[in-house]
Amino acid sequence: GQNIDQPTEMTATEGAIVQINCTYQTSGFNGLFWYQQHAGEAPTFLSYNVLDGLEEKGRFSSFLSRSKGYSYLLLKELQMKDSASYLCAVRVGTDSWGKLQFGAGTQVVVTP
Amino acid sequence: NAGVTQTPKFQVLKTGQSMTLQCAQDMNHEYMSWYRQDPGMGLRLIHYSVGAGITDQGEVPNGYNVSRSTTEDFPLRLLSAAPSQTSVYFCASRDGTRAEAFFGQGTRLTVV
Repeated sequence: GQNIDQPTEMTATEGAIVQINCTYQTSGFNGLFWYQQHAGEAPTFLSYNVLDGLEEKGRFSSFLSRSKGYSYLLLKELQMKDSASYLCAVRVGTDSWGKLQFGAGTQVVVTP
Repeated sequence: NAGVTQTPKFQVLKTGQSMTLQCAQDMNHEYMSWYRQDPGMGLRLIHYSVGAGITDQGEVPNGYNVSRSTTEDFPLRLLSAAPSQTSVYFCASRDGTRAEAFFGQGTRLTVV
């Protein structure tokens, strides 16, 4: 089976940096995704890692270590609009489609 | 370009009633899927399809049916609603050339 763990909640101040960790134990790993979900809305895609290393996209960066089953999402220069749930998801499967397995999400609260 | 459209946005059912949640996408994506999201739990895959005429079960398929007669539409049927099916349902689609999935706005279903 699959096991994806991430913290339930994190609080940070506007302008600060927050790092959300995600650990996973899966078979057939085929990529790791981060999604952002504001309350009452649909998840929206943030980043995708399939090889080890850091992917940077503006204020957001995502890191993957496949050997450690570990990823993190780094949010820099936090803004109030970054208050949301951040979902770690692992794609499993050897075919070109795979299936997404989601963690329970990390609620990030940004305070003034 | 509407993306992924789900209807209805809200629905209340009585136990034992049946209904169909609609999902349509206009991006010509081959892969479509249905998830349910419950408090404290990640998105869980119900059913998915890799093309017209092809469907398969996800993690939690019991009590739900799907069909895929066209590329655009992927309806989810609840055969006999139960209170345990109270949840928020998301439809998602993606194509084979990009990793990210696009989600609909969700259907909030309450079974009483």
